[in-house]
Amino acid sequence: DGGITQSPKYLFRKEGQNVTLSCEQNLNHDAMYWYRQDPGQGLRLIYYSQIVNDFQKGDIAEGYSVSREKKESFPLTVTSAQKNPTAFYLCASNAGGNEKLFFGSGTQLSVL
Amino acid sequence: AQSVTQPDIHITVSEGASLELRCNYSYGATPYLFWYVQSPGQGLQLLLKYFSGDTLVQGIKGFEAEFKRSQSSFNLRKPSVHWSDAAEYFCAVGDTGGFKTIFGAGTRLFVKA
Repeated sequence: DGGITQSPKYLFRKEGQNVTLSCEQNLNHDAMYWYRQDPGQGLRLIYYSQIVNDFQKGDIAEGYSVSREKKESFPLTVTSAQKNPTAFYLCASNAGGNEKLFFGSGTQLSVL
Repeated sequence: AQSVTQPDIHITVSEGASLELRCNYSYGATPYLFWYVQSPGQGLQLLLKYFSGDTLVQGIKGFEAEFKRSQSSFNLRKPSVHWSDAAEYFCAVGDTGGFKTIFGAGTRLFVKA
């Protein structure tokens, strides 16, 4: 079945540590996205990529980095510069533009 | 800038009762509008979308929504709620150039027997 796979489901970060969240899709979508979800705040866009080897900052990119070396993969690194990383992170993809988004099942990141 | 407001943080309805979730948006042109549903600890799933044409759109799971330009609203409705509808519902608006969907804060639906 086609879909988006996020791993791990739960992740713990120590002070000063960088952690990487994985996102893989087999939907042949050009566009991929990372959202952060905090209770009562909806989803906020961190980064998005319209095509391989290209990506743009979203509304809350500070403290995060991404890469898009393959069409299928869009990993997100939460760096030590992100002082409040505890949140639920969702990866999504679509065919581009305002087409519907397909979401992974998310990664819950917590700070030790 | 675009924005989406969902006035109700949570709503409780009895099983079998009708449901209406409110959504208001701020956008200069004709918007691309969406409703997504999220079960606890899961990703979001599209219920329905509006791009143009008929202002009453039908979605999956028996949901429908009506676009009212004069009220800048896109309310979600269901005539008879089932216990399995308990979830969080997000209204969203698409950016003009695409790629930057703006989400509301969500409305959590509780269904009582």
